[in-house]
Amino acid sequence: GDSVTQMEGPVTLSEEAFLTINCTYTATGYPSLFWYVQYPGEGLQLLLKATKADDKGSNKGFEATYRKETTSFHLEKGSVQVSDSAVYFCALLSGNTPLVFGKGTRLSVIA
Amino acid sequence: DAGVIQSPRHEVTEMGQEVTLRCKPISGHDYLFWYRQTMMRGLELLIYFNNNVPIDDSGMPEDRFSAKMPNASFSTLKIQPSEPRDSAVYFCASSYTYNSPLHFGNGTRLTVT
Repeated sequence: GDSVTQMEGPVTLSEEAFLTINCTYTATGYPSLFWYVQYPGEGLQLLLKATKADDKGSNKGFEATYRKETTSFHLEKGSVQVSDSAVYFCALLSGNTPLVFGKGTRLSVIA
Repeated sequence: DAGVIQSPRHEVTEMGQEVTLRCKPISGHDYLFWYRQTMMRGLELLIYFNNNVPIDDSGMPEDRFSAKMPNASFSTLKIQPSEPRDSAVYFCASSYTYNSPLHFGNGTRLTVT
């Protein structure tokens, strides 16, 4: 079935460092891809999305490009801040199945 | 818009007791989802509803779990009897259409002792 694999955390970075969180997927058909973020004590919230190959989703300085050839949707940010500390979830939506989430990657940014 | 509202935020109960978790979705959203989050298993989909009708409950762990949606503005997830392994954070989420972004509540942290 459809699945999402993302890099295991935790990831610890210094403020202003470059961030990459890897995400690859397996799906039949042409899925839509998402990144959700979960701040401490809160539910998940949509960060960005891409609905077709080569689309780039972006929000709050984060970007991810839908790469069909590598079945990937890696999350990047050029300069992280302490306030970016959270858990990040890659997810896909395909056909009639509900959203499929990866296991999440915890990011800690230290000043 | 108040967002998805869950109650209680925290629940501590003893093994064997009945637990009821509550959710109010965003008005106008036709889909409602219940998830469970643990360190070991991550985020698991338990059940989801469309227009108050359960569509897929294959993620419900066992018969001790049940969920209802009596109307468009309210849903419950019940565990009876509760067990320590049910300890987790339970999230409710809603969406306007099937492929619209999910809006999550802040979750209920359940501890069963």
